[in-house]
This record gives sequence, structure tokens and C-alpha cells, in this order.
Amino acid sequence: ETGVTQSPTHLIKTRGQQVTLRCSSQSGHNTVSWYQQALGQGPQFIFQYYREEENGRGNFPPRFSGLQFPNYSSELNVNALELDDSALYLCASSVRVAGGPQYFGPGTRLTVL
Amino acid sequence: GIQVEQSPPDLILQEGANSTLRCNFSDSVNNLQWFHQNPWGQLINLFYIPSGTKQNGRLSATTVATERYSLLYISSSQTTDSGVYFCAVEAQGTYKYIFGTGTRLKVLA
Repeated sequence: ETGVTQSPTHLIKTRGQQVTLRCSSQSGHNTVSWYQQALGQGPQFIFQYYREEENGRGNFPPRFSGLQFPNYSSELNVNALELDDSALYLCASSVRVAGGPQYFGPGTRLTVL
Repeated sequence: GIQVEQSPPDLILQEGANSTLRCNFSDSVNNLQWFHQNPWGQLINLFYIPSGTKQNGRLSATTVATERYSLLYISSSQTTDSGVYFCAVEAQGTYKYIFGTGTRLKVLA
């Protein structure tokens, strides 16, 4: 069984640029959630995708957007990067929208200079 | 929204000691998980435990949903247990996990 994978592992961008992060869900999972974890804090929910539709969103501005593909993999896009976007970005996959455990990928560490 | 608090915030143990980590939440939940975050940031799934008791080797967990708390027990701690432990809950009627503030554990050899 293949676990959750994310790419790239690390990324350095400058303020104002755009970035795309990728996540492949665990085999058999149809729901992907994205989280942002700033240094020293717990992960914060960004949004969730279920069957290619956004299923819910946390307190993040519209410049954070996403996609889910027919194979249930997902992308997180961030436009107009700000210094405060520097964080570890985690994706998690699960079998269904509500209920059941979430399995996390290794994360992408984004640094905005 | 639901509040999730963990205690203690920091814990230092000698190898071989036992410990109890606590997670309190302010509202009813669908799901609760305990995670160990290693130094590289990977969140390792320890327990999926919305209610009841589970054990896995030296670790065990208990969730008392009616009283809105969960406990993670670590016995005979090892240096590899060091890291940050998070509980995360999914409030009823929602779709997102809310993470607690974390407990930073350091186990000394």
C-alpha cells in the first residue's frame, strides 16, 4: 500500500511569486485535506477536497487555492506569496469526508524570502 | 469553534520513565487522533480513537468522549520517543481537524 507523498520536499520563493505544491493520496482514499504549519505551532486547516470539489475551507484568503484530480491527487496553489506564508505544508488523505482517520504526507517546507 | 488544549506543553523524561499526555476539547467530536511529529516534520499516526481505549506496544490511549478528554500513555520511554505530540479532533458536523497546541517531549539517555 502506497502512503501519502508530497512534492517538492523543500522550496524557496520570493515575495510576490506563485507556488504549486503536490500531493498524492494513499491508495483507495478519495479525500485530501491541506494544512499549514508555522514554526512552533500546530497545523492549521486550509481546505479539503472530496471527489474533485472543495468541501470546506479554513480561515485562509482566496490566494490559497487547490485542485483535486480524477485519481484523487491534489495541488495547493498560493499566489502573491507573503513572508508569513513560510511554513510546512502538509496534506492528508482519508477514505471519506467526515469520519475515519487521516494519513499525513511528509510535508513541503516553503521558505519565502 | 471547538478549542483543543494539551498538557503539559513541555515534558522532559529520563529514559525508562512513564508519562501521561492529556488532550481536552470543548465540544463533541466525530474523530480524534494522536500524532507524533518527528524532527523532520512527519506526522506519524499513533491512534485513531474517537472513544474507548487502544494499545500499541508501549503506547496506549483512552478517550472519554462524554467528558471531552483523551489521554496518551507512554511507558518505558526511549530517546526515539522525543518530538512533539499532537491530538487532533474533528468536531461534529464539520469536516476539518483542529489540532491541539502540542506537547513537546524530550527523553534523555
